[in-house]
Amino acid sequence: AQTVTQSQPEMSVQEAETVTLSCTYDTSENNYYLFWYKQPPSRQMILVIRQEAYKQQNATENRFSVNFQKAAKSFSLKISDSQLGDTAMYFCAFMKDTGNQFYFGTGTSLTVIP
Amino acid sequence: DTAVSQTPKYLVTQMGNDKSIKCEQNLGHDTMYWYKQDSKKFLKIMFSYNNKELIINETVPNRFSPKSPDKAHLNLHINSLELGDSAVYFCASRSRGAYEQYFGPGTRLTVT
Repeated sequence: AQTVTQSQPEMSVQEAETVTLSCTYDTSENNYYLFWYKQPPSRQMILVIRQEAYKQQNATENRFSVNFQKAAKSFSLKISDSQLGDTAMYFCAFMKDTGNQFYFGTGTSLTVIP
Repeated sequence: DTAVSQTPKYLVTQMGNDKSIKCEQNLGHDTMYWYKQDSKKFLKIMFSYNNKELIINETVPNRFSPKSPDKAHLNLHINSLELGDSAVYFCASRSRGAYEQYFGPGTRLTVT
């Protein structure tokens, strides 16, 4: 079974600063996909970024980037220039290449302080 | 244009009742899911359908029954509701060949 661990239940960051959310996972698979989803107070689940395990280059989407360390099974999310709208619950998710389901971490609640 | 929609968004009902939650996606996706998010925000998969065929059926009480009349719809029927069923239920969909899932807005179910 795959497990996803987010060791930071809560974090806070000052507006305009940078914050990094950590995620580790356990798998024996070689090909898989990793995701970060954001859930603001509206509760809508929004895809932030995704990473294919076979790609060495770290994914980036505007202010969001990941640090993917395959050997260490680590997949952290960096948010630069934090904005108030980044306040949300962030979930890390894993999916096997041959699978059909996500395995979610327990989430990190991020608060951006004005 | 809502990609994945769920109705209702809020549902308050009494123990012992039977209720349904509907999900529709207009993305042309082949695979649909139901997730349960508990009070601690933990997301757990319940069911998945691919082209109307059940492919994931996690260990949920058999009071929960999914129905997929076509590949754009996946409904969730719950019999004999219990207090512990109170949660937010999310529908999601995924395209064949893609890996990200698109989520509906969620249905907050409260059982009193």
